[in-house]
Amino acid sequence: AQKITQTQPGMFVQEKEAVTLDCTYDTSDPSYGLFWYKQPSSGEMIFLIYQGSYDQQNATEGRYSLNFQKARKSANLVISASQLGDSAMYFCAMRGGVRDDKIIFGKGTRLHILP
Amino acid sequence: KAGVTQTPRYLIKTRGQQVTLSCSPISGHRSVSWYQQTPGQGLQFLFEYFSETQRNKGNFPGRFSGRQFSNSRSEMNVSTLELGDSALYLCASSLAPTSGKDEQFFGPGTRLTVL
Repeated sequence: AQKITQTQPGMFVQEKEAVTLDCTYDTSDPSYGLFWYKQPSSGEMIFLIYQGSYDQQNATEGRYSLNFQKARKSANLVISASQLGDSAMYFCAMRGGVRDDKIIFGKGTRLHILP
Repeated sequence: KAGVTQTPRYLIKTRGQQVTLSCSPISGHRSVSWYQQTPGQGLQFLFEYFSETQRNKGNFPGRFSGRQFSNSRSEMNVSTLELGDSALYLCASSLAPTSGKDEQFFGPGTRLTVL
């Protein structure tokens, strides 16, 4: 069965510092996709970044980058130069490719950026 | 381009009643997924529809059902409501379910309270 684990329920980070949010996954599917979403207190889910299992390079989108370590089955989100507006809940998610392509989400990490 | 819309935004029902939630995807998107979000269980996948067909289903009882219309709009129905069905129900749309990048765009959600 597929599984996503986010071990940090909450984090406090000083503004302008870099942040790493942890995500590990488990799947027997050779092809899969990994996603990160942000959910501010308003409730809407915002797509941040995607990494495919066969992508050779780590994905980057502006201040967001995904540290993909396939052998370790980890897909950590790195936010550079954090801003107050980054305070939100962050979810790691995975969609399998062949055997099971349902999307599953981790429990999330609540990030607090301190001024 | 209009985003994903969900109606109603808030709903209060009593145990035993049934409820129907509606989701209109982004124009051109043919895949619609539904999720239940609660503080205890996090984000849980309910079902996914593509071209009017349910292609994936999560581990929810048969009281939860859904459908998709030819214009890609989707509805989900919960019959015989229980207190534990109180949750934020999120709908997400994407172009099509593929094994590649499948960015989902989420709606604002419907907050269901069961009394």
